[in-house]
Amino acid sequence: DGGITQSPKYLFRKEGQNVTLSCEQNLNHDAMYWYRQDPGQGLRLIYYSQIVNDFQKGDIAEGYSVSREKKESFPLTVTSAQKNPTAFYLCASSTNRVETQYFGPGTRLLVL
Amino acid sequence: AQTVTQSQPEMSVQEAETVTLSCTYDTSENNYYLFWYKQPPSRQMILVIRQEAYKQQNATENRFSVNFQKAAKSFSLKISDSQLGDTAMYFCAFVYKAAGNKLTFGGGTRVLVKP
Repeated sequence: DGGITQSPKYLFRKEGQNVTLSCEQNLNHDAMYWYRQDPGQGLRLIYYSQIVNDFQKGDIAEGYSVSREKKESFPLTVTSAQKNPTAFYLCASSTNRVETQYFGPGTRLLVL
Repeated sequence: AQTVTQSQPEMSVQEAETVTLSCTYDTSENNYYLFWYKQPPSRQMILVIRQEAYKQQNATENRFSVNFQKAAKSFSLKISDSQLGDTAMYFCAFVYKAAGNKLTFGGGTRVLVKP
């Protein structure tokens, strides 16, 4: 089946620890995105990548890092510099010709 | 900066009836796209409907239709024959090519369909 997968579903982070959220797609999409959702709110863009080996900061990139070494994969690292990381994280992808973004099932990150 | 506003935090509707969700946006762009996404309790974001700004005809997808008023910068969603499975958060979103295809979301409207 074609789609976007995110893992893990739940992730716990200790103080001062870096954690990495996985996002993989087999839709042959060029562009990939990471969003953060806080309770009762809409989504905010963290990072996006329109092509392999290239990515740009979104609206709330501080405390996060990404890489795009493969077309299918766009992992997000939540660093210790992110002081309030508890949130729901959604990955999305799209072709560069069509603007519709399709989303993965999300990862909930909690701080211990 | 582009903004998207959903003025109704929560709405309830009886099963089989119709509900309309409002969305307004602010942009100086002319070539853009608007979307409604549904987020059920599972929290997966599901595309409901999409509208290209250059098309005057309102988009429809089965029981879902939009009223797109470009001059008024308004993009409302009508859910007809509401079903229990329509219970979810609904987000209006906006994107334009020159911004690198970045989606801007409204704050969401919670819809509760009552049996």
